[in-house]
Amino acid sequence: QVQLVQSGGGVVHPGGSMTLSCAAFRLTFTKHGMHWVRQPPGKGLEWVAAISNDEKTISYKDSVRGRFTISRDNGKNMLYLQMTSLRAEDTAVYYCTTYFGDLNFDYWGQGALVTVSS
Amino acid sequence: QAGLTQPPSVSKDLGQTARLACTGTSNNVGFQGAAWLQQHQGQPPTLLSFRDNNRPTGISEKFSASRSGNTASLTITGLQPEDEADYYCAAWDSSLHAWVFGGGTELTVL
Repeated sequence: QVQLVQSGGGVVHPGGSMTLSCAAFRLTFTKHGMHWVRQPPGKGLEWVAAISNDEKTISYKDSVRGRFTISRDNGKNMLYLQMTSLRAEDTAVYYCTTYFGDLNFDYWGQGALVTVSS
Repeated sequence: QAGLTQPPSVSKDLGQTARLACTGTSNNVGFQGAAWLQQHQGQPPTLLSFRDNNRPTGISEKFSASRSGNTASLTITGLQPEDEADYYCAAWDSSLHAWVFGGGTELTVL
């Protein structure tokens, strides 16, 4: 059974930074691309960023480009999201999720709540 | 980044069929089709179909997806109480170079 286990999250002040992590278990991590998707409280899903299995292709949502960095460590089966210059509108539950070819958003982490508040 | 358009809510009776719509453009839904996800309150989403009507392993045949032009649809047959959930569509946008989601449809089974 594939498992994505997330860590990180919590409360951060506006302008602050935070890093989210996602550990993959029982997944051939080096064959899967990864997404970060977020969900503001009471609202819908928003795609944030994606990284290919070989790290050669990276994409970002416009509003986070330049502030967020998606990265991965294939040797450790880990995915990261470094978030800087955080804003109130970044408050959301952040999920990591996989892709393999056309199969996007197949496996999901449990989610991590990031609250940006003074 | 503009999203996909979904009706906010749909209500159907137990045992009936629900058809949920998702409207995009030729740059997203019309380009490579849509994925559909189901989300129960407080849970991560579950993928129901991808690239139009491809079901991941383990997803019931009661969920079927289709596409006509720039509009994708998810049909759910034999509605049961456990089908009450939020349903989202998603598509890759070739002009934005980004994934876009619909706002979600809340399905109520009466």
